[in-house]
Amino acid sequence: GAGVSQSPSNKVTEKGKDVELRCDPISGHTALYWYRQSLGQGLEFLIYFQGNSAPDKSGLPSDRFSAERTGGSVSTLTIQRTQQEDSAVYLCASSRARSLYEQYFGPGTRLTVT
Amino acid sequence: AQSVTQLGSHVSVSEGALVLLRCNYSSSVPPYLFWYVQYPNQGLQLLLKYTTGATLVKGINGFEAEFKKSETSFHLTKPSAHMSDAAEYFCAVIPNNAGNMLTFGGGTRLMVKP
Repeated sequence: GAGVSQSPSNKVTEKGKDVELRCDPISGHTALYWYRQSLGQGLEFLIYFQGNSAPDKSGLPSDRFSAERTGGSVSTLTIQRTQQEDSAVYLCASSRARSLYEQYFGPGTRLTVT
Repeated sequence: AQSVTQLGSHVSVSEGALVLLRCNYSSSVPPYLFWYVQYPNQGLQLLLKYTTGATLVKGINGFEAEFKKSETSFHLTKPSAHMSDAAEYFCAVIPNNAGNMLTFGGGTRLMVKP
């Protein structure tokens, strides 16, 4: 079946602009995660959605970052007023309710802030 | 907070040689443990995981890892390296008493020489 998909695959934006990154999880997966991969910080957790529960936002680095998940499926990560330190690869993952520990990752969106 | 240490950011082996990638975690309570592989410009792929049960875990592509509680380690091995194993490998943990978010080590880039 189809895996996790993310769009766009690459995004170049100017400092100060807002960006939206999209994630389509595997069908039937109730949990969805966003991670960020950067040269300076490595791989770090950002936010986690599980079913209808309130999301765990404990990893978001600032209030410029937000995410939503509509209808328990597609998720959008929004970064407002982008800064150069936001440049990174943003990875999305999903997992089934019965196997939350097996996370399947998408190919990522490479964000470059100029 | 949970931390994961991968010794050696770069490891080089000859084709056919043993692969050993080291991972240590910091926790008095053993977490759930994972190894992921990342090929260039791709997302993360789960190689293997330890949650409970047998401490020697077999994964895909001939890899295995052994959970050693006394050493707080979860080293990844493969008896004979193949050129296609060249990639970046990440050790990760999920604390078994808090959430489902992965905490990653810094990664080890494996190079395989012909």
